[in-house]
Amino acid sequence: DAGVTQSPTHLIKTRGQQVTLRCSPKSGHDTVSWYQQALGQGPQFIFQYYEEEERQRGNFPDRFSGHQFPNYSSELNVNALLLGDSALYLCASSLGASGGPSSYEQYFGPGTRLTVT
Amino acid sequence: AQSVTQLDSQVPVFEEAPVELRCNYSSSVSVYLFWYVQYPNQGLQLLLKYLSGSTLVKGINGFEAEFNKSQTSFHLRKPSVHISDTAEYFCAVSRTSNTGKLIFGQGTTLQVKP
Repeated sequence: DAGVTQSPTHLIKTRGQQVTLRCSPKSGHDTVSWYQQALGQGPQFIFQYYEEEERQRGNFPDRFSGHQFPNYSSELNVNALLLGDSALYLCASSLGASGGPSSYEQYFGPGTRLTVT
Repeated sequence: AQSVTQLDSQVPVFEEAPVELRCNYSSSVSVYLFWYVQYPNQGLQLLLKYLSGSTLVKGINGFEAEFNKSQTSFHLRKPSVHISDTAEYFCAVSRTSNTGKLIFGQGTTLQVKP
């Protein structure tokens, strides 16, 4: 059973550039959430996608955008990169459609380490 | 709004000793509670969760946690730790009406010494 996968593993970008991170959810899951984890901090919620729409969003600027495809995979895009965007970006999947207890269990991928110079 | 406070940033302990990692939360609405573990250079793995029922929940790798509503706490315990338990541990909450957003604490580094 394939878990959550993310690509790339590492990425180095320059200030002002744009970046796209990718996530494939765990088999059978239909909901994808993205988190930013700065060094030494807990993850912070960016947004969640369900049925190809952004269902809810955390306190992140519009430079952060996303997309979900019909196969439930997802992309996170960050425009006009700042040094402060350097972090581990985590993708988590869940079974949102059920509405039951299992929908609260989020399974995380290994993350993409983004370094902005 | 919800918030999570992990009371210890680092917890050093000797192998085979018991350990408790403390977590308090603040919320004006009902929440579900989670503990995740993060090994170096890896993502987060769910250790255990409290959704309803018994306030003592058991998870993987011999960990357990107790939900205390009156003290708004969800402390994680293990009776005997191993070197392999060395990792970062995160407590998280989610509103019962919201399946999407996990709010995490700052994390506690568990350092198990031989």
